[in-house]
Amino acid sequence: DQQVKQNSPSLSVQEGRISILNCDYTNSMFDYFLWYKKYPAEGPTFLISISSIKDKNEDGRFTVFLNKSAKHLSLHIVPSQPGDSAVYFCAASAGGGTSYGKLTFGQGTILTVHP
Amino acid sequence: GAGVSQTPSNKVTEKGKYVELRCDPISGHTALYWYRQSLGQGPEFLIYFQGTGAADDSGLPNDRFFAVRPEGSVSTLKIQRTERGDSAVYLCASSTGQGYGYTFGSGTRLTVV
Repeated sequence: DQQVKQNSPSLSVQEGRISILNCDYTNSMFDYFLWYKKYPAEGPTFLISISSIKDKNEDGRFTVFLNKSAKHLSLHIVPSQPGDSAVYFCAASAGGGTSYGKLTFGQGTILTVHP
Repeated sequence: GAGVSQTPSNKVTEKGKYVELRCDPISGHTALYWYRQSLGQGPEFLIYFQGTGAADDSGLPNDRFFAVRPEGSVSTLKIQRTERGDSAVYLCASSTGQGYGYTFGSGTRLTVV
């Protein structure tokens, strides 16, 4: 069973516009959520995270929103840049915020930002 | 080293053979993780080490898979009697053990023919 789902395999946006990547989860025990970015032939790199006690976390051009009642989170990138083109993974943990960090990942969304 | 190093970067093996995949974590990182990423999927947890011991191996798919970290640094993932379904990118990550500050390596792409 897929506990973390990214239902959009791909997303294409124009440079300067907003990119919105979505993620849904089913496990109510998840309490910490992360987004990773992955370029070809490289490992995933950490982008931004959010604890379940918050509903928004912002870091520069990146903002993550969490809707616990809907078990949904989203990543907003504003403004989008061509260098943001990559695969984006949503990940979740049920560790209570102090666990060793075992993560459950979604399938990924390929973001393409056109100049 | 500056990052997590995984060797080899690519490995092609015949069905039924034994393979070893190596991970060199960031110096001083006590926590080490192995994940597997199949085509079109996200990384899937395999095993976690804290120091020399495997604290959680619940993600290993079956007893053909085994991992060690004898001195609390380098780790080796071992796969016996490889099957075509084992073909994937095997990712290693390390951290200080606090929170989720993973650093992933670039992975080993394993192809079983």
